[in-house]
Amino acid sequence: ETGVTQTPRHLVMGMTNKKSLKCEQHLGHNAMYWYKQSAKKPLELMFVYSLEERVENNSVPSRFSPECPNSSHLFLHLHTLQPEDSALYLCASSQERGRETQYFGPGTRLLVL
Amino acid sequence: LAKTTQPISMDSYEGQEVNITCSHNNIATNDYITWYQQFPSQGPRFIIQGYKTKVTNEVASLFIPADRKSSTLSLPRVSLSDTAVYYCLVGDMSDYKLSFGAGTTVTVRA
Repeated sequence: ETGVTQTPRHLVMGMTNKKSLKCEQHLGHNAMYWYKQSAKKPLELMFVYSLEERVENNSVPSRFSPECPNSSHLFLHLHTLQPEDSALYLCASSQERGRETQYFGPGTRLLVL
Repeated sequence: LAKTTQPISMDSYEGQEVNITCSHNNIATNDYITWYQQFPSQGPRFIIQGYKTKVTNEVASLFIPADRKSSTLSLPRVSLSDTAVYYCLVGDMSDYKLSFGAGTTVTVRA
């Protein structure tokens, strides 16, 4: 238990569906992150939020839309995904953005049909 | 941005010590070295972090030579449950150019 929870743990969706992934951290951290990990590939950093502001966007397709309503919650809204978007989506948090240690959630295993 | 190089895989047996060396020749003066462990279908888990010399905690030790161009993660007396991928990271983890890379897959056999 890292203090970072993610729901749902598993999700199957069609290419026309709209769904959202939720992340919650109970650590009092100020920075939150979304990562994507495809099969046999390294983790890819998708979005970084610091104090609820998106600080950077790593050229992620617009079908992925993040939202950070407060420093404890982070969402990833999904719409019109492609089968190649099937992956493990991980949320992480750290005290501050930067060289701080990140604490990861268990991930959401997403399958797009 | 410090690029890291580590072996793709390592095999070991239960009870042995496993040492994984990571090279980071262009590490910056204020960069820390952090190691993570990841099991299949789980998020990476922080193991240890250091800046120089030696750091030890309840699960591992981290050895960093004076020039800081490499570091070695030492796992004492591994068990089957230590089979995982181990990542070495140097620098700002919120930098998109920082990559977890492929990591080192450690397989512990009985």
